[in-house]
Amino acid sequence: GIQVEQSPPDLILQEGANSTLRCNFSDSVNNLQWFHQNPWGQLINLFYIPSGTKQNGRLSATTVATERYSLLYISSSQTTDSGVYFCAATNDYKLSFGAGTTVTVRA
Amino acid sequence: ETGVTQSPTHLIKTRGQQVTLRCSSQSGHNTVSWYQQALGQGPQFIFQYYREEENGRGNFPPRFSGLQFPNYSSELNVNALELDDSALYLCASSWGQGIDTQYFGPGTRLTVL
Repeated sequence: GIQVEQSPPDLILQEGANSTLRCNFSDSVNNLQWFHQNPWGQLINLFYIPSGTKQNGRLSATTVATERYSLLYISSSQTTDSGVYFCAATNDYKLSFGAGTTVTVRA
Repeated sequence: ETGVTQSPTHLIKTRGQQVTLRCSSQSGHNTVSWYQQALGQGPQFIFQYYREEENGRGNFPPRFSGLQFPNYSSELNVNALELDDSALYLCASSWGQGIDTQYFGPGTRLTVL
């Protein structure tokens, strides 16, 4: 299966700051998703983005499929953005997840 | 449109016992995938069911088995529980296999003592 690496593993931000999370994957993909895992464990869909750029409010994502990476941007961070962000990718049927980036936003 | 639901939310079992976890897929979806998430790690793919047939399997032993029903809901069964089976079990539903957006349920947290 595809290998997915996320960086950085941990990120501490002051409220209002901007940040970029990176996801590298080892092969071509037909599905790439970004998730935010809430404190109760549920994975919340942020983006389905096997290629291109999308924006949703203060979040945006870009996937450069030819170079095998994706970026998640958080602008004007809020304390509610805290949590673990996962990137997951596949080129068949099983999503392979990275180890996640733990984001802590301080007031 | 109802989302993905899972039951129970929490479960405590003893080593050697058997457990059944349940998942109801999102309306209109015909594919269910199961994942295991150990503490501090990303989810790991267990298997996927598409139109009531197992469509693919990850690196899990045969004591992990499943079913998908005609209404596309699904069960995950684990026999001969081991301490390392303690984890959050997540199911995801989608339309089609793999390439479509997968929507996750809230998970079942299993503790094996």
